[in-house]
Amino acid sequence: GESVGLHLPTLSVQEGDNSIINCAYSNSASDYFIWYKQESGKGPQFIIDIRSNMDKRQGQRVTVLLNKTVKHLSLQIAATQPGDSAVYFCAEKSGANNLFFGTGTRLTVIP
Amino acid sequence: EAEVAQSPRYKITEKSQAVAFWCDPISGHATLYWYRQILGQGPELLVQFQDESVVDDSQLPKDRFSAERLKGVDSTLKIQPAELGDSAMYLCASSPGGDGWSSPLHFGNGTRLTVT
Repeated sequence: GESVGLHLPTLSVQEGDNSIINCAYSNSASDYFIWYKQESGKGPQFIIDIRSNMDKRQGQRVTVLLNKTVKHLSLQIAATQPGDSAVYFCAEKSGANNLFFGTGTRLTVIP
Repeated sequence: EAEVAQSPRYKITEKSQAVAFWCDPISGHATLYWYRQILGQGPELLVQFQDESVVDDSQLPKDRFSAERLKGVDSTLKIQPAELGDSAMYLCASSPGGDGWSSPLHFGNGTRLTVT
């Protein structure tokens, strides 16, 4: 079966520093990946996505890196702010198959 | 920005009772999903609709769960009878669907179910 896992369940960073959240996936056929942010009591919020024909994609203060060789995905958040504190999920998909979510990493920003 | 609407936000029920959750997806989104999220875990798919048709309900406990999207717009998820282990957040999501297999899902804020 497919599995999407995260290396670290929790991450604490100082406000203003950069954050890196990592994710490993096991399905080599996965071709689409998404990062979601989930605040307490809310649904997951789309942050950024990347297709398997890319290895890097940038958004506003966020960058996603994809390394298909080692089946690794990372989310980089620049100049982390208190509002970035949340649980971050990576999710992966293979073709028209369903989206599979990992367990999540809790990011805490220290003011 | 258009949002996925869900109601109620919270529901407390006793075991063996029936509960129902409602979802209104983003206008024009053909694909609708119901996910269940246990505290501390990632969401897990229960059922996927393409318009009014179920395309995947392999993870739906069909002895007690049912879902419908009669007109291909809003959807209802029902549990009857509820069990203690059903306590979770029930999330609805939608996406444009069709050929948009690589488009992100947009989630509502969920219904938090507590079964006592």
